[in-house]
Amino acid sequence: DVKVTQSSRYLVKRTGEKVFLECVQDMDHENMFWYRQDPGLGLRLIYFSYDVKMKEKGDIPEGYSVSREKKERFSLILESASTNQTSMYLCASTPRGKDEQYFGPGTRLTVT
Amino acid sequence: AQTVTQSQPEMSVQEAETVTLSCTYDTSENNYYLFWYKQPPSRQMILVIRQEAYKQQNATENRFSVNFQKAAKSFSLKISDSQLGDTAMYFCAFMTLLRGSKLTFGKGITLSVRP
Repeated sequence: DVKVTQSSRYLVKRTGEKVFLECVQDMDHENMFWYRQDPGLGLRLIYFSYDVKMKEKGDIPEGYSVSREKKERFSLILESASTNQTSMYLCASTPRGKDEQYFGPGTRLTVT
Repeated sequence: AQTVTQSQPEMSVQEAETVTLSCTYDTSENNYYLFWYKQPPSRQMILVIRQEAYKQQNATENRFSVNFQKAAKSFSLKISDSQLGDTAMYFCAFMTLLRGSKLTFGKGITLSVRP
């Protein structure tokens, strides 16, 4: 089975802190994605990566950056966390040319 | 740009009954995929069913089936013989491979199955 793991289920950070959210997949997938999920807004794509060191902005990239140094790991970085970044963050992956995305369990981030 | 609309925020159904979740979308593409994803209270999102736009036959997966109306840009999910384990948020999603497998999601619907 495909497994996508995220480093934390729950995270509490202070405003202005630099925050790293890690995602690891074990199935050699080329494509990886970061979404944020907010009530009444569904899931919105922040960034995605289609290969190592390759990245592309999604629909809401402002305030975020990403890093993909290894194929299995995709990191989401909040350079200076703000309260409006309090949200559930979901990571997903999929092989190139395929359509089903496999999701991690999510990280509930609270910025105070 | 693609948009996905789920207009019902919540629904409730009695166990063993049938329920239909609605979804409409907008796109200028001709080749695309549509999905229903399920997110139970434990939060792991899983794929329920997928439909390729070029296929006229509606997809079916056990108790789950879709009614895909391409001209109307409608993609509803029917759950037959509802079970308590079907209680979850359900998201309709759209993808075109031209955009690198990126999904566009609807806002989701919370489905509660009553015992």
